[in-house]
Amino acid sequence: EAGVTQFPSHSVIEKGQTVTLRCDPISGHDNLYWYRRVMGKEIKFLLHFVKESKQDESGMPNNRFLAERTGGTYSTLKVQPAELEDSGVYFCASSQDPAGFGEQYFGPGTRLTVT
Amino acid sequence: AQSVTQLDSQVPVFEEAPVELRCNYSSSVSVYLFWYVQYPNQGLQLLLKYLSGSTLVKGINGFEAEFNKSQTSFHLRKPSVHISDTAEYFCAVSDMRNTGKLIFGQGTTLQVKP
Repeated sequence: EAGVTQFPSHSVIEKGQTVTLRCDPISGHDNLYWYRRVMGKEIKFLLHFVKESKQDESGMPNNRFLAERTGGTYSTLKVQPAELEDSGVYFCASSQDPAGFGEQYFGPGTRLTVT
Repeated sequence: AQSVTQLDSQVPVFEEAPVELRCNYSSSVSVYLFWYVQYPNQGLQLLLKYLSGSTLVKGINGFEAEFNKSQTSFHLRKPSVHISDTAEYFCAVSDMRNTGKLIFGQGTTLQVKP
């Protein structure tokens, strides 16, 4: 069974540009999460999808970030326009369990560098 | 709101020695507790979790953790480490009322030396 995949693995963009990150969860997992780790800091929650609906987006930093999940399958996270402080590693995770006790399966992350 | 503190950012240890990675949390509600590990160039992988019941939890790769409610701690231990255990370890909590949002500590890098 394929794990969670993320694309691209690395992205280097200039301030003001747009970047779209993609996450493909494990097939059949209704729950999809986005997290971010800024260098030297802890991993922070961004948002949670259940199928195609946003269940919790309390961690989204501001309106420059837009997340979508088409048809309840893959998800994209768009940053427009990117700022220097957006640099970090963006992780995606998926889970089969609807509640908080379930194991989340993480992708390898996308390392975003904004210059 | 919840918070998690991992008291050591780096823990160097010799191969075959025991190790303890410390984790303390703060929460006004009941939480589930997790330890995840990240090997280089890989995603986070669940080591173990505490949901309820016995406070001593055993996980993969010979790791175990003990939940201490009075001290709000969930320290991770292994009696004898291997070079392959070199990785970054994350303690995390999840609000029992919520739908899986994880609150992470800052991470502890375990460096196993030969």
